[in-house]
Amino acid sequence: GQQVMQIPQYQHVQEGEDFTTYCNSSTTLSNIQWYKQRPGGHPVFLIQLVKSGEVKKQKRLTFQFGEAKKNSSLHITATQTTDVGTYFCAGRSNTGKLIFGQGTTLQVKP
Amino acid sequence: KAGVTQTPRYLIKTRGQQVTLSCSPISGHRSVSWYQQTPGQGLQFLFEYFSETQRNKGNFPGRFSGRQFSNSRSEMNVSTLELGDSALYLCASSLVSQQDVSGNTIYFGEGSWLTVV
Repeated sequence: GQQVMQIPQYQHVQEGEDFTTYCNSSTTLSNIQWYKQRPGGHPVFLIQLVKSGEVKKQKRLTFQFGEAKKNSSLHITATQTTDVGTYFCAGRSNTGKLIFGQGTTLQVKP
Repeated sequence: KAGVTQTPRYLIKTRGQQVTLSCSPISGHRSVSWYQQTPGQGLQFLFEYFSETQRNKGNFPGRFSGRQFSNSRSEMNVSTLELGDSALYLCASSLVSQQDVSGNTIYFGEGSWLTVV
């Protein structure tokens, strides 16, 4: 069945360093969504990407959707302690099913 | 405005019982989706309802069902509970169908913690 692999599982960075998490789907996606979940909190929707090769920015966060619509990445520039949490991607198949990646947990050392 | 409200927040059930969870979306939102979150399986999509119609369904057995009422409030039901159903059940609402939110936002509730013993 459809799978969405997300790497790395964990990432520890020093405050000010950059961070990137990657998602790869076994099938072509109609869109991909990104979420952030703080420890003990509920997921917070960040963005949806729809178009092949799409790049969107939200302040220090840059989201990309691959040309083949099978992979995506989230890049954070100059991490801050407020960026701590788990980042999930969720790929939507052409049949409408939504499959989540396993998430990347980011720790930021001040 | 009030956020997404889920009730109950915590509950304990016995194997074999059934449970109904409720979700009240943000006023005006017509889409409600349900998710299961466990340490082992992570986040998994259960189903989405939009204007009382099920739009999408995840890969869960038929014991998991849901519905949406005319006021957009939604319920999900799990019958014949198993130990593995212990999880945080999350509900999310949005103005448009979550299949393609296109510039809109999805809002999550705090979740319902279900423990099956």
